[in-house]
Amino acid sequence: EVKLVQSGGGWVQPGGSLRLSCAASGFTFSSSWISWVRQAPGRGLEWVASVKPDGSDKYYVDSVRGRFTVSRDNAETSLYLQMNSLRAEDTALYFCARQNYYGCFDYWGQGTLVSVSS
Amino acid sequence: EIVLTQSPGTLSLSPGERATLSCRASQSVSSSYLAWYQQKPGQAPRLLIYGASSRATGIPDRFSGSGSGTDFTLTISRLEPEDFAVYYCQQYGSSLKTFGQGTKVEIK
Repeated sequence: EVKLVQSGGGWVQPGGSLRLSCAASGFTFSSSWISWVRQAPGRGLEWVASVKPDGSDKYYVDSVRGRFTVSRDNAETSLYLQMNSLRAEDTALYFCARQNYYGCFDYWGQGTLVSVSS
Repeated sequence: EIVLTQSPGTLSLSPGERATLSCRASQSVSSSYLAWYQQKPGQAPRLLIYGASSRATGIPDRFSGSGSGTDFTLTISRLEPEDFAVYYCQQYGSSLKTFGQGTKVEIK
């Protein structure tokens, strides 16, 4: 069974940092692209970042580039999102999601809430 | 960046009716790399359709997708009570993936 179990998140003041984790199981993690997607309260989905299976290529939405870093540990079958210089507009529920062979997101984590406020 | 615009914002229908949701892209979506997701309150999204028209595993055949280029449609042939939710389209043909803003299908 494919599972993506998320941890991390919480409340942080503007300018602060947080690290999200996503532990994967039930599939060949080292062969899969993985992404982060977020959803601000009451809003729609926003793709945030993606990382190639070997971690060599990473892509980001413009609004987080330079502040967020996506990484992975294939030995630990885990994905991470290091979020620095957080802003109020980064407040959202963050999901990790596996990209299937076709490139769309077939399995999702349960989501973890990030709240940025003073 | 490819911008996806979904319409209508809200669709008010009764169980048993047909739902037609639209997704228009600001530029052509390569190789029909267009997906549809369903999201219910408090849940993660669920993949319904990929490649514009292929149903994901376990998705009932009342869900169908069509379209190419810049215009795509999700059709739910006969709404079941569990289909009332928010639906998002997504393009994944570029390295910068984008979602539409969503269409809420609500009970009339």
